[in-house]
Amino acid sequence: EDQVTQSPEALRLQEGESSSLNCSYTVSGLRGLFWYRQDPGKGPEFLFTLYSAGEEKEKERLKATLTKKESFLHITAPKPEDSATYLCAAGYGGATNKLIFGTGTLLAVQP
Amino acid sequence: ETGVTQSPTHLIKTRGQQVTLRCSSQSGHNTVSWYQQALGQGPQFIFQYYREEENGRGNFPPRFSGLQFPNYSSELNVNALELDDSALYLCASSFQGEQYFGPGTRLTVT
Repeated sequence: EDQVTQSPEALRLQEGESSSLNCSYTVSGLRGLFWYRQDPGKGPEFLFTLYSAGEEKEKERLKATLTKKESFLHITAPKPEDSATYLCAAGYGGATNKLIFGTGTLLAVQP
Repeated sequence: ETGVTQSPTHLIKTRGQQVTLRCSSQSGHNTVSWYQQALGQGPQFIFQYYREEENGRGNFPPRFSGLQFPNYSSELNVNALELDDSALYLCASSFQGEQYFGPGTRLTVT
């Protein structure tokens, strides 16, 4: 069965304390691994797409990496405004993509 | 600003009623996908429309139905509402794979 699992469920960091979020996936015919940020009561905000093992992408304090079974979202020197739920999703089903989401990691960064 | 809009923002319905939610795609996007997000969970895929045709469906019953219009806007219809249908309903528009989400419609069924 296709599935996406994220860990940890929740993470509390001090401002400036770097860490990583994990996303493991088992999806047939993977067509991209997606990372989103979601603030409470809002829609997910697109961050990154990774298409092949070894690929890396960066945006400000965030860097996403991909292996054949996992993806990591590295957060370097986080700030309180990075607090949010981070969702990982695997794309499948052809060029138009359907997404299977994990349950997310709730990140809280304390000043 | 993704350009994807949804209406209404919030909605309260009674069990057994019917509801229609609306989504306007980002300019140039020909694919719309709908997701249901229960509290504390990740979004779950309901169905997708590509150029006005249904293009895949998740594990949702037939009382969940949809439409896509020539301007690529879309509707999600839910008949015979149940308490478990209470959730945030998200639409996402895309062109060649990357999906951009709207702000969602919060549906409460009492």
